[in-house]
Amino acid sequence: DAKTTQPPSMDCAEGRAANLPCNHSTISGNEYVYWYRQIHSQGPQYIIHGLKNNETNEMASLIITEDRKSSTLILPHATLRDTAVYYCIVRVYGGSQGNLIFGKGTKLSVKP
Amino acid sequence: GAVVSQHPSWVICKSGTSVKIECRSLDFQATTMFWYRQFPKQSLMLMATSNEGSKATYEQGVEKDKFLINHASLTLSTLTVTSAHPEDSSFYICSATQDRASYEQYFGPGTRLTVT
Repeated sequence: DAKTTQPPSMDCAEGRAANLPCNHSTISGNEYVYWYRQIHSQGPQYIIHGLKNNETNEMASLIITEDRKSSTLILPHATLRDTAVYYCIVRVYGGSQGNLIFGKGTKLSVKP
Repeated sequence: GAVVSQHPSWVICKSGTSVKIECRSLDFQATTMFWYRQFPKQSLMLMATSNEGSKATYEQGVEKDKFLINHASLTLSTLTVTSAHPEDSSFYICSATQDRASYEQYFGPGTRLTVT
């Protein structure tokens, strides 16, 4: 699977939008972008995934650039409970492995 | 959404003993389960992949005789840490998927193992 690059940490004010970037310049045409987050001492939680179109669900929005070499996860109105490590992962959907390879992620701190 | 549970949530054991961690899918049948390990301030590292009814596939560097994985049913996988040592102290997390190729893995809450 392709590697991703994320900033190690980010701060965001409560109530503001949190924009978390991810670079995946070597992504292949059949690889999806997934986002998970991990709140301290808990298991990871799925957030969203996409291939090339922008996606939105009740948790977040995912913006993927046209060349697919980078993406941004947007939490529209961050709350203190959104403080977590956010992982951007690229993976083939339908691939033989199925497992997720976690990088270091971005530690998002939402401050009051 | 699908729920995965782990038991126990935390355990303390003495060096040299064995400890078993259970991972259960509560409302779906998990054809594949994954076991991860996470050391403090580090990311999750995949240890092994198990498919129901077959032997687990271990990642490079993970001792299969030390970390015994059993996936005897579609709702239960167990990880047994044998002859535990203090360096095995870690956060162990399982995940499950209904379909090996599924985009969504459901993670358990994790088990904190401390070996004294």
